[in-house]
Amino acid sequence: AQSVSQHNHHVILSEAASLELGCNYSYGGTVNLFWYVQYPGQHLQLLLKYFSGDPLVKGIKGFEAEFIKSKFSFNLRKPSVQWSDTAEYFCAVNGAGSYQLTFGKGTKLSVIP
Amino acid sequence: DAGVIQSPRHEVTEMGQEVTLRCKPISGHNSLFWYRQTMMRGLELLIYFNNNVPIDDSGMPEDRFSAKMPNASFSTLKIQPSEPRDSAVYFCASSGTGVPEAFFGQGTRLTVV
Repeated sequence: AQSVSQHNHHVILSEAASLELGCNYSYGGTVNLFWYVQYPGQHLQLLLKYFSGDPLVKGIKGFEAEFIKSKFSFNLRKPSVQWSDTAEYFCAVNGAGSYQLTFGKGTKLSVIP
Repeated sequence: DAGVIQSPRHEVTEMGQEVTLRCKPISGHNSLFWYRQTMMRGLELLIYFNNNVPIDDSGMPEDRFSAKMPNASFSTLKIQPSEPRDSAVYFCASSGTGVPEAFFGQGTRLTVV
């Protein structure tokens, strides 16, 4: 069975600080990896995804994530956060060839102006 | 494309009443997911369908919950009878062959009083 672990429940940063949110997954085979963002009161939206190729993936709004296969990790980064990045961030995984998407518990990010 | 469409957006009902949530997936997508989101439990997968067939319903909490997908463009999630602990936001998502990321609807906020 696949599972996802997000290390931080709530992260509080000042504007312009750098961000790194941890995500580790458990799955025995090839995986597809995703980060979703949920702004307050809204639905989940895809931030970025990794299927294959370059392990450093760039997404929308200046976010990027790095897939490190040996560590089963897919951490999300942004060099300088803005107040508008305040949201909840979810890491998700599915095994290649499977459509079952498993989400982590989410990390709430609060950015203080 | 209009995206995944859910109705109603908000539902307030009395304990013991039947509640039906509706979802129209993105045209051409052949996988559909129902998720429940609460503060306590985060995002939980309830059930997912592939080609209109339920593949995994292990997340359905009790027999009070049932889901159907009579055709490729429509799914329902029914709770009968509803209880206050069912209060949550219910999301529907869909994905397609060769498109493993899930696209989410706006969600239905259910309040059972």
